[in-house]
Amino acid sequence: AQKVTQAQTEISVVEKEDVTLDCVYETRDTTYYLFWYKQPPSGELVFLIRRNSFDEQNEISGRYSWNFQKSTSSFNFTITASQVVDSAVYFCALYTNAGKSTFGDGTTLTVKP
Amino acid sequence: EAGVAQSPRYKIIEKRQSVAFWCNPISGHATLYWYQQILGQGPKLLIQFQNNGVVDDSQLPKDRFSAERLKGVDSTLKIQPAKLEDSAVYLCASSFPRDTIYEQYFGPGTRLTVT
Repeated sequence: AQKVTQAQTEISVVEKEDVTLDCVYETRDTTYYLFWYKQPPSGELVFLIRRNSFDEQNEISGRYSWNFQKSTSSFNFTITASQVVDSAVYFCALYTNAGKSTFGDGTTLTVKP
Repeated sequence: EAGVAQSPRYKIIEKRQSVAFWCNPISGHATLYWYQQILGQGPKLLIQFQNNGVVDDSQLPKDRFSAERLKGVDSTLKIQPAKLEDSAVYLCASSFPRDTIYEQYFGPGTRLTVT
C-alpha cells in the first residue's frame, strides 16, 4: 500500500518569508517517482517537479527548492522569499513504476502582503 | 500547444440522475487519466487509459461509473445514477510516456454538485 502524508493542512506567511512544505511517503516499491503540484484558485494542477527514487540530489529552481531524503522518506518543498502569487494548494504525489498514483491531501499556503 | 480540455466546467444534478464529462487530451498524449477530487482532499485516480485500453480502473466504482476512450483520443466519464457523495471535481490529465516518467498535464476540471 502507498501513502502520502502532508501533515501541514494550512500555512500562512507574510510576503518575503521562507516557507517549507513537508511531504512524507510510504511505499514498498524500490522504484518510484515523487511529484509536487501547485493548484491555484483556478483549480488546474500545475506540475512543479518530479524526482525518481534513485536520484536524491536536491534541486533548486529559482525561488523553489526540493529536499529529497530517502532515509526519512521525505520530499520537502521550500519557497524562498515567498510572494502573494505563491498562494495556492500544494500537493505531493507518489507514483510507482506501474503508474499507480497516490496524492497527499495538500497544504494550503496563504502568503499575505 | 493547447492544454487538456474538459467540459462542462460546472454541473449540478439531482441524485439518481445521470451525468457525463468529456475530456480532450493534449495532442499526441497516449495516456489519459480521470481523477476525482473531493473538497479538501487530494486527487484520487479513477481510471487510466493507455491509448484506448484500460491500464488501471481499480478505484472506479463500476456499479455506477463508466469511462471510455474511443479511438485513443477523447474520453468520456459517466456516472449513472449519481449519489450525493459523488459531488467533487473531476479532473482529466494526459501524459506522453517517456521511459517510466509520468509527468501529467491536468485540465481545469468539472465541478459536479449532486443535490
